[in-house]
Amino acid sequence: DAKTTQPTSMDCAEGRAANLPCNHSTISGNEYVYWYRQIHSQGPQYIIHGLKNNETNEMASLIITEDRKSSTLILPHATLRDTAVYYCIVRPILQETSGSRLTFGEGTQLTVNP
Amino acid sequence: GAGVSQSPSNKVTEKGKDVELRCDPISGHTALYWYRQSLGQGLEFLIYFQGNSAPDKSGLPSDRFSAERTGGSVSTLTIQRTQQEDSAVYLCASSLKGRAYNEQFFGPGTRLTVL
Repeated sequence: DAKTTQPTSMDCAEGRAANLPCNHSTISGNEYVYWYRQIHSQGPQYIIHGLKNNETNEMASLIITEDRKSSTLILPHATLRDTAVYYCIVRPILQETSGSRLTFGEGTQLTVNP
Repeated sequence: GAGVSQSPSNKVTEKGKDVELRCDPISGHTALYWYRQSLGQGLEFLIYFQGNSAPDKSGLPSDRFSAERTGGSVSTLTIQRTQQEDSAVYLCASSLKGRAYNEQFFGPGTRLTVL
């Protein structure tokens, strides 16, 4: 799997947008970009994923650069409950074995402050 | 709807004892994964089941670890002769199929403490 690089930690004020960057400069054309988050003492939670185009759902937006070497997860109006570790993960589209396991890095600890 | 459930939520055992951890995936999900997360560490893949295919056991750290999935649904992870380094949160996830575009839904985990 391609390696991802994320900042160790970030802070955000409640109600403001949180922009979490991720570098994946070695990503190949057949790999998705996935974002998960893990709130303390809970299992990881899927947020969003994309291949080439920007994506938006009820939780967040994902902006992928044209060269696909980096992406940004945007939480448009962060709340205190968004405090969590956010993981950026790349996954092969086709993986004959191991069913496209998730390979988690260190992630970014996002702290939303009141 | 019901999500992935795991039991027990917490397990404390003595070194050398065997433990069994259970995972109930989301109904209809054919792919099931086990991961573990040691204190302050990221998630580590352990094993993957897909339908009736042979499981991918490449992530199991030693032969003391085994897992089975009965009837394509419930899975049990067994750790024999537990060691203190086995202490971790064991997470189960399921997805509709084992494809990259299938999101994985995680259970709350089982916190294992080996004394």
